[in-house]
Amino acid sequence: DVKVTQSSRYLVKRTGEKVFLECVQDMDHENMFWYRQDPGLGLRLIYFSYDVKMKEKGDIPEGYSVSREKKERFSLILESASTNQTSMYLCASRRQGDGGNTIYFGEGSWLTVV
Amino acid sequence: KQEVTQIPAALSVPEGENLVLNCSFTDSAIYNLQWFRQDPGKGLTSLLLIQSSQREQTSGRLNASLDKSSGRSTLYIAASQPGDSATYLCAVTTGGSYIPTFGRGTSLIVHP
Repeated sequence: DVKVTQSSRYLVKRTGEKVFLECVQDMDHENMFWYRQDPGLGLRLIYFSYDVKMKEKGDIPEGYSVSREKKERFSLILESASTNQTSMYLCASRRQGDGGNTIYFGEGSWLTVV
Repeated sequence: KQEVTQIPAALSVPEGENLVLNCSFTDSAIYNLQWFRQDPGKGLTSLLLIQSSQREQTSGRLNASLDKSSGRSTLYIAASQPGDSATYLCAVTTGGSYIPTFGRGTSLIVHP
């Protein structure tokens, strides 16, 4: 069975802290994504990665960075957490192809910045 | 830029009813359209994926159709059950970027 695992389900961090959100997939997928989901705004793409060591900015990259050193792992980094980054963060992965493959999501990470 | 709209935003129906959820998109040059289900506080679960060359896909009580020319997809749920209560989202992957664009979802409540 396919699996995307987000290591932290619930986190509470202080303003200014550096925060790491980890995502691991066991399907040997090339493409990985980080979204945030907020009420009334839907899912917004933060960063995506076509393959190892490759990354592209999404719609809202400000305040975030990512790391993809290994194919199975895609990390989202909040360099200096702020209260407006309180949100649900969702990681997803997909096999590379012509864009015609199923996207799989993790269970989400709820981040509260106080 | 692709825009995806889901109407209605919320729906409440009695158990047993057949229902249709709608998804519309502005750019018809798509590779695929995917329907998801999201339970409160959880991630998204894939329900159906329709390739651009297909007209429909079925899984159990679910049937999704795609009309690229009109920029529309529908998700048909037959004989709804309280366990179908969730938010349903559609995502469109467009040619060129291969990045999926999501609608804001339809929140469905099926009451006994």
